[in-house]
Formats: sequence, C-alpha cells, structure tokens
Amino acid sequence: DAGVIQSPRHEVTEMGQEVTLRCKPISGHDYLFWYRQTMMRGLELLIYFNNNVPIDDSGMPEDRFSAKMPNASFSTLKIQPSEPRDSAVYFCASRTGDYNSPLHFGNGTRLTVT
Amino acid sequence: EDQVTQSPEALRLQEGESSSLNCSYTVSGLRGLFWYRQDPGKGPEFLFTLYSAGEEKEKERLKATLTKKESFLHITAPKPEDSATYLCAVQARDDKIIFGKGTRLHILP
Repeated sequence: DAGVIQSPRHEVTEMGQEVTLRCKPISGHDYLFWYRQTMMRGLELLIYFNNNVPIDDSGMPEDRFSAKMPNASFSTLKIQPSEPRDSAVYFCASRTGDYNSPLHFGNGTRLTVT
Repeated sequence: EDQVTQSPEALRLQEGESSSLNCSYTVSGLRGLFWYRQDPGKGPEFLFTLYSAGEEKEKERLKATLTKKESFLHITAPKPEDSATYLCAVQARDDKIIFGKGTRLHILP
C-alpha cells in the first residue's frame, strides 16, 4: 500500500503566480479531501469529493482556489493568482466509502508564497 | 455550526507522568470521533475511532474515551517517543470531517 501521494513536497513561488498541487489517493478509496494547515487556524477543510464529484467546496477561501478530480486516481488543487497569505501546508486525504472509515493523509505540500 | 475544541494547546510532561488531553465538540448527528497523531513534517496518522458515548479504545499507552459532549485521550506512563501533536476530529451526518487545532505534547526524558 503506497499510501496517499502528494507532490511537490515543497513549493516556493512569487505572489501572483499560479500554483498547482497534486494528489494521488489510495486505490479503492471513494472519498478525497483537501485540507490546509496553519498554526493559527489548524487543519481547515477546503473541499471534498465522493466518486470524483465535488460534494462540498464551502471551505474554499475564494475564487482564486479551484480543485478538480478528473479520475479516481488523481486530484489537483490550483491557486491562481497566489498571495502570501496562502502560505501553509496543504494536505490531501482519502478514505473508503465504509461508514466511519478514517482518513488516510499524505505528507503534505508546504507552500511558501513570497 | 459544527465545532471541535481541544485543550490544552500544549503540554509538557516528564517521562512516566500520566495525563489526559481533552476534546469537546458540538456537532449535529455525530457519526464518529477520531483521534490522530501528527509528527513534524508528516501528515496526521490515524489512532482511534469512537462511535458512541461510553465507548473506549486502547493502544499501547493511549486510551480514548467518549461522552456525549467530549472525548479524552489518556496517556499512561508516556515515553519521549510519544511526543507529537494529537488531533481530534468529528464526522457529522454530511460526511464532513472537522478537526480541532490539536494539543502539542512534549515528553521530557
């Protein structure tokens, strides 16, 4: 079991640039979640998908953020244009469709916007 | 609005000094409460799921308990390798999983 795979591990970019974060969930998992973690706000849910369909994106901060899941094995989170306040660690997590199954997290992407 | 509050924010213990971490929650229709451990530079790692008030789960030096309003993570005779951030999360009816801000635990040798 390879676990949830995120890339890149670190991203440093300048304000105004487009940033794309990538996630490969565990094979067979029906749900995929994107979270953002900062010291001030902890882990915030941004969006989650069920069977590749976005279910709730109410946590997406603003229109600069978008997420897609074109197939069961790949998802992206895009920020365009990026701003310094977007600096955080972004986590992807997946779980099965079983009732109360736990989330399995990737090791995150640390984003720094200068 | 669903909410999870953890206390204390940080805790320093001597090796062998037992203590408890608290997670209080308000959620509409609790489907499950989860405890995770997070080490620096890593993603959260699943520890326990609790489903209903009165339930308890154990793993090595950790024991999690659940009431209708809160959960406790009891740490018995901790070791330095238990140092980590411990996160609590709840799942409501709508499949959202909401996390608390965590407790940073440091065990001194």
